[in-house]
Amino acid sequence: KNEVEQSPQNLTAQEGEFITINCSYSVGISALHWLQQHPGGGIVSLFMLSSGKKKHGRLIATINIQEKHSSLHITASHPRDSAVYICAGRYGGATNKLIFGTGTLLAVQP
Amino acid sequence: EAGVAQSPRYKIIEKRQSVAFWCNPISGHATLYWYQQILGQGPKLLIQFQNNGVVDDSQLPKDRFSAERLKGVDSTLKIQPAKLEDSAVYLCASSSGIGDTEAFFGQGTRLTVV
Repeated sequence: KNEVEQSPQNLTAQEGEFITINCSYSVGISALHWLQQHPGGGIVSLFMLSSGKKKHGRLIATINIQEKHSSLHITASHPRDSAVYICAGRYGGATNKLIFGTGTLLAVQP
Repeated sequence: EAGVAQSPRYKIIEKRQSVAFWCNPISGHATLYWYQQILGQGPKLLIQFQNNGVVDDSQLPKDRFSAERLKGVDSTLKIQPAKLEDSAVYLCASSSGIGDTEAFFGQGTRLTVV
């Protein structure tokens, strides 16, 4: 079993739709990062959370530590949101290891 | 605050040649990561440094890949000799390494082995 699993792998939405990307993770991971990667490779950190919920603009990230599950939501999606969204789990303690999921390729059509 | 700097941005080499990538993390960041991202896949951790010590290199193909962070600041990743399957984006990231802190990523080096 992968340490960080994401779904779906690919997602196509119409402009304005509400989008959800899911991430489940293994025991030992104490924090979850949500990252955005555009064509060309550069990665931007969207959120880091270890409990509760965070919001930034149209993006919302939630985490349920009992269920070891996190979601990234995009409200009122726009074509410029098209990118790969990746969740990455950080192990606690001294290791500080950061393990990535496989990513979700999102295409928002006008 | 300057971000994570990587160079070169792009590199094309022939198989069996050698190549080196350089990463300068954010000033003061103790933890430095190198990842390999093959097209269509998520980044795979190659090696993690804490200051100048290796924390995890379990997925580094040590017969051909090597990495160092001699002074605990910038780092180099080398491939010698390169294979076709090494074609990927090599990403460097850093974090302060204290508690649950954000990781910051460089733009990556896109390697094509022909």
